[in-house]
Amino acid sequence: AQSVAQPEDQVNVAEGNPLTVKCTYSVSGNPYLFWYVQYPNRGLQFLLKYITGDNLVKGSYGFEAEFNKSQTSFHLKKPSALVSDSALYFCAVSRAGGYQKVTFGTGTKLQVIP
Amino acid sequence: EPEVTQTPSHQVTQMGQEVILRCVPISNHLYFYWYRQILGQKVEFLVSFYNNEISEKSEIFDDQFSVERPDGSNFTLKIRSTKLEDSAMYFCASSVGLLGEKLFFGSGTQLSVL
Repeated sequence: AQSVAQPEDQVNVAEGNPLTVKCTYSVSGNPYLFWYVQYPNRGLQFLLKYITGDNLVKGSYGFEAEFNKSQTSFHLKKPSALVSDSALYFCAVSRAGGYQKVTFGTGTKLQVIP
Repeated sequence: EPEVTQTPSHQVTQMGQEVILRCVPISNHLYFYWYRQILGQKVEFLVSFYNNEISEKSEIFDDQFSVERPDGSNFTLKIRSTKLEDSAMYFCASSVGLLGEKLFFGSGTQLSVL
């Protein structure tokens, strides 16, 4: 079985400060890893993914994430937070090799304080 | 950017009634999914669909659930006899391919079972 853990229900950060949203995963074999963002009353929007290659992946809106195989982690980061980044962030994993089921974490609410 | 559209945005039904949730995936996408989200938190995989058949399903997707692609554009989720615990936001998603492709989500249908 595959799973994702997002240990923080909420992360608060001051505008302009760097932010990190944590994610660890468990999957058989190699993972495909994703971050999605959800704004109120909207569907999830793709931010970035790791499939293979460089462990540091860059995505939309200045976000990036680092794949760490030994720690089975895929933390989301941004150097300088904006108030508009406030939203619900979901980490997700699927098993490499053509499996379609994507398993999502429970989500982390990011609150950027002006 | 192309969008996945879902109708209706809200559906209220009585326990034991049948409901059909409708989705129009992005036109050149080949893989279709249903997810649900309870209380704005955990996003749960229900089913994936490819080439006019279910390719994966979760333990949630029991005999009360079914999916169909009745024509070249619509993708539906039917719940035959709704239960109180089926109340959730249901998201349709689609992807162009399989191997680590990002999912495009609709804005969801909020199902309330009374």
